Amino acid sequence: QVQLQESGPGLVKPSQTLSLSCTVSGGSITSGSYYWGWIRQPAGKGLEYIGRVYTSGSANYSPSFESRVAIALDTSKNQFSLNLRSVTAADTAVYYCARMTYYDFWGGSRIGAFDIWGQGTMVTVSS
Amino acid sequence: DIQMTQSPSSLSASVGDRVTITCRASQRIGSYLNWYQQKPGKAPKLLIYAASSLQSGVPSRFSGSGSGTDFTLTISSLQLEDFATYYCQQSYFNPRGRYTFGQGTKLEIK
Repeated sequence: QVQLQESGPGLVKPSQTLSLSCTVSGGSITSGSYYWGWIRQPAGKGLEYIGRVYTSGSANYSPSFESRVAIALDTSKNQFSLNLRSVTAADTAVYYCARMTYYDFWGGSRIGAFDIWGQGTMVTVSS
Repeated sequence: DIQMTQSPSSLSASVGDRVTITCRASQRIGSYLNWYQQKPGKAPKLLIYAASSLQSGVPSRFSGSGSGTDFTLTISSLQLEDFATYYCQQSYFNPRGRYTFGQGTKLEIK
């Protein structure tokens, strides 16, 4: 059974880069047609999609983060990473990694949904 | 970008009640809509994909409906373990994969 686990610093200084990793266990990060994504949640608030990376290494991002984010695979470690540059206090949140699976439904259509999530890791941006 | 609006933002109900949560998209998204459940301190859990398909292992008291811009999540008979926050998420096709969540609906015990 595939499991995800986030890791990285819990405290980052303003203007620096937030770097997190997500380790995938129970399966290879390059097998199957999955995307691997990051979602965050500020305390007491809702979920915010950041971006995703495909098993090929191709990534795409929410417009809200496009200018300062990078998501990449590290196949040697069976991990994928999040780098968010120039952070401010507004980036303080719980960060989740998740797998996006595509499901078939009527008419030959396919939909992506986040079916497996990590437990989340709290990151605070403060000097 | 597509905006998702849920109503109500919070809801009080009793065990055994039938509950409906609504999600509205700012443009037509077909059936490209997922629902998640999140309990305090835990990661979200996928309940329903493609507006009405039940994820494996999810109890049948959960159901989803709708297409276009208006969607609903219904819990037919609330159980104690169902008190949580529920989020919709649009997954409408676009090459750049921009997905957005609703703001959430917190379901509390009356």
